[in-house]
Amino acid sequence: QKEVEQDPGPLSVPEGAIVSLNCTYSNSAFQYFMWYRQYSRKGPELLMYTYSSGNKEDGRFTAQVDKSSKYISLFIRDSQPSDSATYLCAMSANTGGFKTIFGAGTRLFVKA
Amino acid sequence: GAVVSQHPSWVICKSGTSVKIECRSLDFQATTMFWYRQFPKQSLMLMATSNEGSKATYEQGVEKDKFLINHASLTLSTLTVTSAHPEDSSFYICSAQTVGYGYTFGSGTRLTVV
Repeated sequence: QKEVEQDPGPLSVPEGAIVSLNCTYSNSAFQYFMWYRQYSRKGPELLMYTYSSGNKEDGRFTAQVDKSSKYISLFIRDSQPSDSATYLCAMSANTGGFKTIFGAGTRLFVKA
Repeated sequence: GAVVSQHPSWVICKSGTSVKIECRSLDFQATTMFWYRQFPKQSLMLMATSNEGSKATYEQGVEKDKFLINHASLTLSTLTVTSAHPEDSSFYICSAQTVGYGYTFGSGTRLTVV
């Protein structure tokens, strides 16, 4: 079993839709949770960063962490064609040198 | 915000030659940089952790003699793929830890070995 599981998609939605992206994980020691957006042939860019459980909102993006279920989500409201990219979840623990484990990434297509 | 500049963005080389990839942190000092490789439709795989002024720490299964990492200054880390072979063709990305526990990534280097 992988430490971090993420559905690779692709996920195709119409413009304006609410997008839900998810990851599950197995290591209960993870405390730091991140979402990155990666456009084709580019390096990932940090979208959201959350410590421990709870919600965090930034504009059209909301990150949720449910540590009891070992489940994290990223919601994108009013999705735009420019949101089309691969979204990677990532997480790390306060042990083992803070090594960050990445999900495989979900490819999102937002159709105009 | 913090920027990591990575060059070249793409390179094609002949089998058996060596390729150097550079990552520079702009406007901030990166005592630690991370090197990843990413195959199509797959996640980032950490290859090594590069610390300024000391030897890099390689992940299990990564040949340190093949992937030479040098972190000679607080703003520059390099990855040299020696005696490259077609199976080394991949997307290589560097990153530096910045805000909190987030990372700033370089733009990546697509290496094609022919």
